[in-house]
Amino acid sequence: GNSVTQMEGPVTLSEEAFLTINCTYTATGYPSLFWYVQYPGEGLQLLLKATKADDKGSNKGFEATYRKETTSFHLEKGSVQVSDSAVYFCALSDPQEGNEKLTFGTGTRLTIIP
Amino acid sequence: AAGVIQSPRHLIKEKRETATLKCYPIPRHDTVYWYQQGPGQDPQFLISFYEKMQSDKGSIPDRFSAQQFSDYHSELNMSSLELGDSALYFCASGMSGSRWEQYFGPGTRLTVT
Repeated sequence: GNSVTQMEGPVTLSEEAFLTINCTYTATGYPSLFWYVQYPGEGLQLLLKATKADDKGSNKGFEATYRKETTSFHLEKGSVQVSDSAVYFCALSDPQEGNEKLTFGTGTRLTIIP
Repeated sequence: AAGVIQSPRHLIKEKRETATLKCYPIPRHDTVYWYQQGPGQDPQFLISFYEKMQSDKGSIPDRFSAQQFSDYHSELNMSSLELGDSALYFCASGMSGSRWEQYFGPGTRLTVT
């Protein structure tokens, strides 16, 4: 079956630090990959996506590249802000399974200190 | 832009009671997904509907049922509630042709006492 393994948190960084949150996946087909962000008390927001190998998703200064050879989709940001504090979920959907349900990683709680 | 609407936002029920959660997808979206997120957990897929038909089923207990109506809104019915059902329930909607992109609602927080 499909699975997503995500860097465990919590992660605490100072403002303007470089961020990497690791994500690797296992899938039977060629999945689409996503990063979702969940701010306190809110729902999940799609942060970025990539649907095929070597695609780079980017949004709000965050980037992640779909690496088929290493089955990875690591999230990066060059300079984090206090407002980036949230829980980040890596997820995949596998069209070869005939549906688009999302399989999530366990989430990484990120706290940015001023 | 219109977003996914879920109601109620908060719900408190006692054990063995029933609960109904509602989801109104983004206009023109034809697919609805339900997820359950326990405290400190990742969201787990429950069930999905496409064009009012069940399209996939995940780890949904037999005590739960769901349907999608002609106006595409969906309801999740939960009976014989247990303490372990306390969680955040998310609905997400998507559009055929771009079904891999799911837009989530704010969630319904269900507390079973």
